[in-house]
Amino acid sequence: EAGVVQSPRYKIIEKKQPVAFWCNPISGHNTLYWYLQNLGQGPELLIRYENEEAVDDSQLPKDRFSAERLKGVDSTLKIQPAELGDSAVYLCASSSRDSYNEQFFGPGTRLTVL
Amino acid sequence: KQEVTQIPAALSVPEGENLVLNCSFTDSAIYNLQWFRQDPGKGLTSLLLIQSSQREQTSGRLNASLDKSSGRSTLYIAASQPGDSATYLCAPRLNTDKLIFGTGTRLQVFP
Repeated sequence: EAGVVQSPRYKIIEKKQPVAFWCNPISGHNTLYWYLQNLGQGPELLIRYENEEAVDDSQLPKDRFSAERLKGVDSTLKIQPAELGDSAVYLCASSSRDSYNEQFFGPGTRLTVL
Repeated sequence: KQEVTQIPAALSVPEGENLVLNCSFTDSAIYNLQWFRQDPGKGLTSLLLIQSSQREQTSGRLNASLDKSSGRSTLYIAASQPGDSATYLCAPRLNTDKLIFGTGTRLQVFP
């Protein structure tokens, strides 16, 4: 069974540029999560989707961050414009109620903003 | 607000030792708790999920216990190996389906 797929794995951009991250969850998982992980810290939830609906986006900085999950499968997280402080690892995870909502994570995208 | 503390922050041991990693959380109203490992530069790998109604869960050399009322979970690693070297993260899940992560225990097992 394929795991959570994320791309790109690494991204280097200059500040004020836009950037987008893509996630393909495990097949059949209706819940998708985007997390932010700073160096030496645990991940922090940015947004959670149930199918195509964003049910928890309280931690998403909506002035510059946006996300979508069209058709309830793949998801894209966008930052526009990027700031120096956005340098971090962006992790995607998915889960299913059939397995107690155990969360499975992708490899992450490491973003560096110069 | 749920706060998660993991002790110790770092641990370096010779292979073969049995290890205890501790996790405490402030809000005992949790649905379940997951333990993850994270290798440098990689994503998180789920090790064990323990339901709030369970006392412990086992997978191979790993055993996780949960004392929900006191806000504690412990991960036991038996007969540690160099391949166990990684950061271990605990994450209780609130009833709102939100995982709250600790900062992890960095484990190094040397030959």
